Amino acid sequence: GAVVSQHPSRVICKSGTSVKIECRSLDFQATTMFWYRQFPKQSLMLMATSNEGSKATYEQGVEKDKFLINHASLTLSTLTVTSAHPEDSSFYICSATFWTSGGAKTQYFGPGTRLLVL
Amino acid sequence: GDSVTQMEGPVTLSEEAFLTINCTYTATGYPSLFWYVQYPGEGLQLLLKATKADDKGSNKGFEATYRKETTSFHLEKGSVQVSDSAVYFCALSEEETSYDKVIFGPGTSLSVIP
Repeated sequence: GAVVSQHPSRVICKSGTSVKIECRSLDFQATTMFWYRQFPKQSLMLMATSNEGSKATYEQGVEKDKFLINHASLTLSTLTVTSAHPEDSSFYICSATFWTSGGAKTQYFGPGTRLLVL
Repeated sequence: GDSVTQMEGPVTLSEEAFLTINCTYTATGYPSLFWYVQYPGEGLQLLLKATKADDKGSNKGFEATYRKETTSFHLEKGSVQVSDSAVYFCALSEEETSYDKVIFGPGTSLSVIP
């Protein structure tokens, strides 16, 4: 099946620094990728839709200047958490749209990146 | 708006017990329905899906049937194993968003004890 990777898997940083998280579709091209955030013992909340070659679409309440998204190629989207603070500590998961041979779409998810801001 | 509701957890079962996790949805159009599983410390894995009414998705002994009349997609497994311990998320995606945007339920934590 389709594989989506994320890097890094874990990151610890100091408050005020910026952190970049990469999401890659390894064996398929994805014009659309999604970024989710998951708090402990909670569900995934969609943060933004990342479109290759255009600006990301952010969900209501998500600060676009705080969470910068770049989708520069058909296999890579990056999420940069700028000036991170402890409240940004979370599990960030990306997904990519995969087209099956039958013409249907399925979302495949990356393994997640755990961010801890001290 | 669209939403997904799941039974509250955590659910604790003995090995080889029968599992049901209830899921109901609200959608304006004709959604595709999914069950995802998240093992401890890991990301999400697609467990099974159904794209239209009366479809049955199945994988690894799990199955769920798309019931349009009751707007439900309950997950079942006849005999659970310790390795099935995980959090299970019911989800949907809508035709009007080109089936791209996935809306998740709150998740149900399952613990299977030997």
